[in-house]
Amino acid sequence: GIQVEQSPPDLILQEGANSTLRCNFSDSVNNLQWFHQNPWGQLINLFYIPSGTKQNGRLSATTVATERYSLLYISSSQTTDSGVYFCAVATGTASKLTFGTGTRLQVTL
Amino acid sequence: EAEVAQSPRYKITEKSQAVAFWCDPISGHATLYWYRQILGQGPELLVQFQDESVVDDSQLPKDRFSAERLKGVDSTLKIQPAELGDSAMYLCASSRQGSNSYEQYFGPGTRLTVT
Repeated sequence: GIQVEQSPPDLILQEGANSTLRCNFSDSVNNLQWFHQNPWGQLINLFYIPSGTKQNGRLSATTVATERYSLLYISSSQTTDSGVYFCAVATGTASKLTFGTGTRLQVTL
Repeated sequence: EAEVAQSPRYKITEKSQAVAFWCDPISGHATLYWYRQILGQGPELLVQFQDESVVDDSQLPKDRFSAERLKGVDSTLKIQPAELGDSAMYLCASSRQGSNSYEQYFGPGTRLTVT
């Protein structure tokens, strides 16, 4: 099956700093989503981005499908940004999502 | 804003007991998914429904797990008997169609602890 790798696995930032999270995948995809999992376990949709670039406030994402990677940018980080960020993809005719290993982000004061 | 509903939010059960989880997808979403997330890992699909039909249950441990979506709306996932290794977060998601081009939305999950 498709492999999804995320980096870095852990990231500690001071409030106000910027960061870039990366997602590499091993096959062509028809769906790519970025999620933020909060401390209560809820998966929050950040972006649906199988290709191209999107922005939502302090967050933006870019997927380069031909090179099989996606990037999530967080600017001016806040303590509420802490949690685990997952990239998930679907490939071929299946619609199920295959999740990456996640990036655990901690934003400190 | 429409959301996926799940209950209960937390469940503690003893091994060998039966346990059931319920999910109500976003209205109008034909596709429903159950994922399991073990601590420290990403979610993995257990079963996928398109309306009332099972599309993919290849990763569902069928000797102890069962899932149904009788009227093509809400769904129940059951474990009988529960084992210690079943302790995990059970997440339900839905999307508008079975096409791989539709965004999935997740419920708050049920955190299961088997003692």
